[in-house]
Formats: sequence, C-alpha cells, structure tokens
Amino acid sequence: DAKTTQPNSMESNEEEPVHLPCNHSTISGTDYIHWYRQLPSQGPEYVIHGLTSNVNNRMASLAIAEDRKSSTLILHRATLRDAAVYYCILSRMDSNYQLIWGAGTKLIIKP
Amino acid sequence: NAGVMQNPRHLVRRRGQEARLRCSPMKGHSHVYWYRQLPEEGLKFMVYLQKENIIDESGMPKERFSAEFPKEGPSILRIQQVVRGDSAAYFCASSHTSRGETQYFGPGTRLLVL
Repeated sequence: DAKTTQPNSMESNEEEPVHLPCNHSTISGTDYIHWYRQLPSQGPEYVIHGLTSNVNNRMASLAIAEDRKSSTLILHRATLRDAAVYYCILSRMDSNYQLIWGAGTKLIIKP
Repeated sequence: NAGVMQNPRHLVRRRGQEARLRCSPMKGHSHVYWYRQLPEEGLKFMVYLQKENIIDESGMPKERFSAEFPKEGPSILRIQQVVRGDSAAYFCASSHTSRGETQYFGPGTRLLVL
C-alpha cells in the first residue's frame, strides 16, 4: 500500500499561514498526491491534488518536493473554519487509483 | 446542484438485524465508493461501483456485507445480521467519469449497533 506519514496534530494561530507536511518516501512515478480534509461530524472534502508540479487553487497550495518524497499543504491564511483533520493520500495507478487513507493531521486553530 | 446525499444520517440497530444505507451520487456522476470510518481513524475503502456493476470490492468483508448500484435509484450498502463491531460511520462518495478523479463525499450514516 502507498503509505504517507503525517504529524498527529498541529496548532496555528488564526489568520496566519499553515504548512501541513506529509512524507511519502515510497511514492512511485505515477502516484498522485491528494489532500482531503474532514471537519467534525462531516464527510471528507477535497482540497487539492497534484502529480509533480506545485498546484494552487482557491482553498490552498500544494508544494511537492523535487524528489516527490514529501509534500506540503499550505493554507495561506487560516480561519477557525479550517480546523479539521487533513489527510494526505496517494492514489496509485496499479491499484486502480484507490485512495488509501491514513490517520491524518488534526489542525487546531487558535483565535 | 445537490451534492452527494446519504440517508439515514443516523441508524440504530440491534444485533442480528439488517442495516440498509442509501447513497445518491451527485447529478451526472456514475461512480460510487463506500468507505467505513471508526472513531479517530481514517477512512477504509470498502467497495467501488459503477451503474449495475461492482468494479472493486477488495475492502468488503466476505460475509454479511453487500453493495449495489442499480440502473435506477440510489446505491445501497446492506449489512445483514449486524454485530457491535459494525458500529461506525459509513461514507459514500461519487466521481464523474473515472476512479482517478476527485471524489465528492456525502455527510455519512452513523450506524450504532446495540
């Protein structure tokens, strides 16, 4: 299984940038890196995904290391509504792109 | 455009009863996925379906669990003879045309087995 490693939890102050790290040292060339988040008592929500290049969207930015063994999700200005569990997931072509979920990082936002 | 809908949101069953969980994908989506989540854990993949076909059921327990996605109507996850260990949140997701695409999740069904 494609495995990712994330810190169990992180804290950040409101209105400051947040950098959520993810290690995926066993990534292969065709694996996509996905980020989803799950707010309390809700279903997961797509955040962003990428393959090799850095990606930006209205929610966040994804910075992918040159060797692709790690990536960082960047929330440019965290709000209290960003408090959630953030999951870094690889989807592997030879597993038919099945998403393998880890335990994620619980992001705590302090007002 | 309505999102993925799941019902019921909460379901209580006694041991030995059957649980039926329903999922209506987003409009225009023909791929459905079911996941199970225990407290403080990530999601565990169960099954991936397209209309009238089970594509990947590698995460489904071999007994008591079944899933379908008929030509008309919602996808159904059925659990027969429920046991306490089946208590969990069950999430359904859908995607438009393929498994590699973004999955959109429903709010989940929280099953409690007494």
